[in-house]
Amino acid sequence: AQSVTQLDSQVPVFEEAPVELRCNYSSSVSVYLFWYVQYPNQGLQLLLKYLSGSTLVESINGFEAEFNKSQTSFHLRKPSVHISDTAEYFCAVSDRGANNLFFGTGTRLTVIP
Amino acid sequence: EAGVAQSPRYKIIEKRQSVAFWCNPISGHATLYWYQQILGQGPKLLIQFQNNGVVDDSQLPKDRFSAERLKGVDSTLKIQPAKLEDSAVYLCASSFIGDIQYFGAGTRLSVL
Repeated sequence: AQSVTQLDSQVPVFEEAPVELRCNYSSSVSVYLFWYVQYPNQGLQLLLKYLSGSTLVESINGFEAEFNKSQTSFHLRKPSVHISDTAEYFCAVSDRGANNLFFGTGTRLTVIP
Repeated sequence: EAGVAQSPRYKIIEKRQSVAFWCNPISGHATLYWYQQILGQGPKLLIQFQNNGVVDDSQLPKDRFSAERLKGVDSTLKIQPAKLEDSAVYLCASSFIGDIQYFGAGTRLSVL
């Protein structure tokens, strides 16, 4: 069975400060890991993914996440946040590529001017 | 490129009424998913289609929920009769087989 734990339901942070959104997973088989972002009144958008290869993955808007197998974690980080990063972030795990996604409960990131 | 289209965006009904949601996936995407997202929770998969066949419907409450994808393109999700606990956002997603899922904006259902 798979599960995802997002430890922080809400994370307020000042503009231009760094942020880390935590995600831990459990799975008995190989995992594929994803971060999705949901802006208000919009659907989920893929932010970044880990399928294989390098354990550090990056998005085009400055976010990065590192797959840590020993810690069973896939934390999302950004060195300097912008107001436009305010959104809900969901971590997801799958044991079958991009199918069969199990989502965490989400972390609401609020960037304070 | 057009994204996943869903309608309606909002729906308010009374308990025991029926409701239907519609989804038009991205052109060429063989796989279509319906998720339920209750406030404060992550999306939960209800059903997955590949073309017009069901791949996974293990979490679909079949006594009241039904879904179809008759021609392997558009899909409809129905609830009959609705309960208060069905209040949620219903998300549709589509993908090429085994590839990344793309989500629609969702339908927000309120059951009074």
